[in-house]
Amino acid sequence: NAGVTQTPKFQVLKTGQSMTLQCAQDMNHEYMSWYRQDPGMGLRLIHYSVGAGITDQGEVPNGYNVSRSTTEDFPLRLLSAAPSQTSVYFCASSYSVDSFSGNTIYFGEGSWLTVV
Amino acid sequence: AQSVTQPDIHITVSEGASLELRCNYSYGATPYLFWYVQSPGQGLQLLLKYFSGDTLVQGIKGFEAEFKRSQSSFNLRKPSVHWSDAAEYFCAVGATSGTYKYIFGTGTRLKVLA
Repeated sequence: NAGVTQTPKFQVLKTGQSMTLQCAQDMNHEYMSWYRQDPGMGLRLIHYSVGAGITDQGEVPNGYNVSRSTTEDFPLRLLSAAPSQTSVYFCASSYSVDSFSGNTIYFGEGSWLTVV
Repeated sequence: AQSVTQPDIHITVSEGASLELRCNYSYGATPYLFWYVQSPGQGLQLLLKYFSGDTLVQGIKGFEAEFKRSQSSFNLRKPSVHWSDAAEYFCAVGATSGTYKYIFGTGTRLKVLA
């Protein structure tokens, strides 16, 4: 049971470069999301999706794009990387958008991104 | 607006000592509350969650948490800490209806002295 899989685990980018963080889950979860974790700030929601073809913005969406073409995959795109996007990124999913508030969120192991 | 406050950024305890990590929330109704643990270099793992009913919730790894509505608190406790408990701990509140957004606290980093 793979759960939530993120790739790559580590990445160094130059300012202005683009890249995609991949996220896949094999639990048939409706809900998927991306968080970034910065020291002293906890986890902040970037974008989320409640199903294939449906995405919405979270707390800190600027500089990031997402799409959800399948239930399993939810990639996060950085179009033009900036040093402020240096962070640890977590993909997370949960089973259903019904009774959403009580669902357990399952997290990937994180992607460490450095923008120089 | 919903919010979660973890007032302690760092806590240091000796191995074998008891532990209490504080969490206060702001929410308009009975909340869904969670505690997650993050070991270094890893993702977050659910320790326990509270929906309703018994206000003392048991979790994995010997942790428990008590929901106190009057104090808007959901503190995490463990009677005897092990060195392997050194990690960062996050309190979270489930989303209000229709928003699909969990709110996480800023975390408490636990250090365990041998």
